[in-house]
Amino acid sequence: NAGVTQTPKFRILKIGQSMTLQCTQDMNHNYMYWYRQDPGMGLKLIYYSVGAGITDKGEVPNGYNVSRSTTEDFPLRLELAAPSQTSVYFCASSYSAPGTGLALHFGNGTRLTVT
Amino acid sequence: RKEVEQDPGPFNVPEGATVAFNCTYSNSASQSFFWYRQDCRKEPKLLMSVYSSGNEDGRFTAQLNRASQYISLLIRDSKLSDSATYLCVPAGSSGDKLTFGTGTRLAVRP
Repeated sequence: NAGVTQTPKFRILKIGQSMTLQCTQDMNHNYMYWYRQDPGMGLKLIYYSVGAGITDKGEVPNGYNVSRSTTEDFPLRLELAAPSQTSVYFCASSYSAPGTGLALHFGNGTRLTVT
Repeated sequence: RKEVEQDPGPFNVPEGATVAFNCTYSNSASQSFFWYRQDCRKEPKLLMSVYSSGNEDGRFTAQLNRASQYISLLIRDSKLSDSATYLCVPAGSSGDKLTFGTGTRLAVRP
C-alpha cells in the first residue's frame, strides 16, 4: 500500500516554464488537497477536491490549475512559473472530510525552485 | 487577525521536561481541532484530535477552550524523538478544509 505518491521529488524551473506536479493515492480516498509550504511558514491550501470531477479553490489558487478526472489522481499544473512559486508542495488525501477527525495523509512533497 | 496563531519558538527543553504549547484561532465556527507534527523537511502527520472535554494520549494532553478560542498541547516527560514542529489545525465550519498554523518548534536536548 503506497499511500500518497508525489512526483517529482525535486524540480528546478526557469521563469515562464510550465509543469505538472503529479499526485496519486491508492487508498480510495475521496478528498484530496494541494498545499504549499514556504520556508518557516505554515501550509497554505492551493486547491482541493471532495471527489472525482469536483475541484475548489483554496487560499492561494492564483497561478495554479487542477483537475480530478479519477479518484486516484489529482495533478497540479503550474503555468508560467514565477519565483514566488518556489516552495515545497504537499499533496494530501482523506477518505472523508478531515474535519470529522480522520487524518490527512500527506505525500513526501515536491521541492520546486523557480529561477 | 490571523486565522491561527502560534508561538514559533523554538522551545528548548531537557529530556524529561514538561512543555506546553498554546494556539489561538479566529474562526468561532470551527468545530474540530487537531495537532499535527512535522519533522524537519518531512510531511505533517496527525498527532491527535482535540475534543471539547480535553483528551490524553500517553504523554500528550490536548485541551480546547472555545470561549477564549485557544487550544493547548501538553507534552510530559519529553523525549529526544519529540523534537519537531507542532502544528495547530482547526477545521473550517464545513469540515472540508483544514487551516494549518505556522507551528511551534520544539527541541529536546539530552
